[in-house]
Amino acid sequence: KNEVEQSPQNLTAQEGEFITINCSYSVGISALHWLQQHPGGGIVSLFMLSSGKKKHGRLIATINIQEKHSSLHITASHPRDSAVYICAASNTGNQFYFGTGTSLTVIP
Amino acid sequence: ETGVTQTPRHLVMGMTNKKSLKCEQHLGHNAMYWYKQSAKKPLELMFVYSLEERVENNSVPSRFSPECPNSSHLFLHLHTLQPEDSALYLCASSQEPRTRRYFGPGTRLTVL
Repeated sequence: KNEVEQSPQNLTAQEGEFITINCSYSVGISALHWLQQHPGGGIVSLFMLSSGKKKHGRLIATINIQEKHSSLHITASHPRDSAVYICAASNTGNQFYFGTGTSLTVIP
Repeated sequence: ETGVTQTPRHLVMGMTNKKSLKCEQHLGHNAMYWYKQSAKKPLELMFVYSLEERVENNSVPSRFSPECPNSSHLFLHLHTLQPEDSALYLCASSQEPRTRRYFGPGTRLTVL
């Protein structure tokens, strides 16, 4: 069983929809990361958070330490948001655990 | 532009070839990383360098040999690879090992 589980694995949405991707982890962490991987491979680090909530443009990331759960929300989704979103947990020993990713397709 | 560059972007090599992947970061960071992403598998952390010293090696076969000559450059030397080593190899950097990582565009490697 993976230390980091994401759901859903695949997600198709209409442009403008509100999107939520969930991440649960079973290890002790110092930080939770959300990454975005575009077709062709390039990865962008979206958020690194250890508590509460962070917002950047239309993206919002939240984490509940007690429940070991994080969510990534995309408001007013757009076709350019189509990508693979990866959740990763890191601990104080700098060990990283990665989820398998959620493939998002936003249809115009 | 993320400030982390990788060359080449695509590489096709035979199993007996020797090649090297190069990563360069222009962000003044002290830590650099090699990751491997295979199809339908989670991203795998291969090596971590901090201040040019290797601080983590996650059971990577010896046919992968990293080199970090200075804090701005990271190489991954490849020799006698197997077809299952075909994957996207990503380089990343961060200010320190525990801080946010910035990724390069990756090198898509195909081993024939």
